Amino acid sequence: EPEVTQTPSHQVTQMGQEVILRCVPISNHLYFYWYRQILGQKVEFLVSFYNNEISEKSEIFDDQFSVERPDGSNFTLKIRSTKLEDSAMYFCASSEGSTAYEQYFGPGTRLTVT
Amino acid sequence: DQQVKQNSPSLSVQEGRISILNCDYTNSMFDYFLWYKKYPAEGPTFLISISSIKDKNEDGRFTVFLNKSAKHLSLHIVPSQPGDSAVYFCAARGNAGNMLTFGGGTRLMVKP
Repeated sequence: EPEVTQTPSHQVTQMGQEVILRCVPISNHLYFYWYRQILGQKVEFLVSFYNNEISEKSEIFDDQFSVERPDGSNFTLKIRSTKLEDSAMYFCASSEGSTAYEQYFGPGTRLTVT
Repeated sequence: DQQVKQNSPSLSVQEGRISILNCDYTNSMFDYFLWYKKYPAEGPTFLISISSIKDKNEDGRFTVFLNKSAKHLSLHIVPSQPGDSAVYFCAARGNAGNMLTFGGGTRLMVKP
């Protein structure tokens, strides 16, 4: 069964450093998403991406964040200058098309900012 | 922001019995609802969904009920199995985009 994959599973970085989290969405899916879950809190939407551009973003997704689809398979989330409060599980998700609303999630990347 | 709320943080059920997980929402612009199951150190796994134009959707042991007037949905699992023990999240999609808003989750424990 096709699945969303994410690398790395765990990333430790120092405050102020840049990190790139990587995702490979399901191959025939057209919509891609990033969510995060801070420990003990809800899963929160960050951004959605379609047709090589951002289609929605939340207030959390400020100028420190960017997304990119550098090739036909990868989808990345970059955090330019990490802060302690960016420590969280980051989940990538993908969905098939404009009328298929089910989103399929990857296993997540645990980001720890020290 | 409490647009989607799961008021029970945990639920314990005997194997073979019914599990009922509840979810309330406040935003009347939500038009699609989903349930996800999550094991520790894994991502949410899609279980079942329902459109706001329906009041029930069934898939095997899982049934989701939607009461639009009460802004309430529930997930029924019958019969419950020990492998169902996980955290269950409800999520809702607004009619203006694909962003999902999640509830806080309910931890289900199914005892053998």
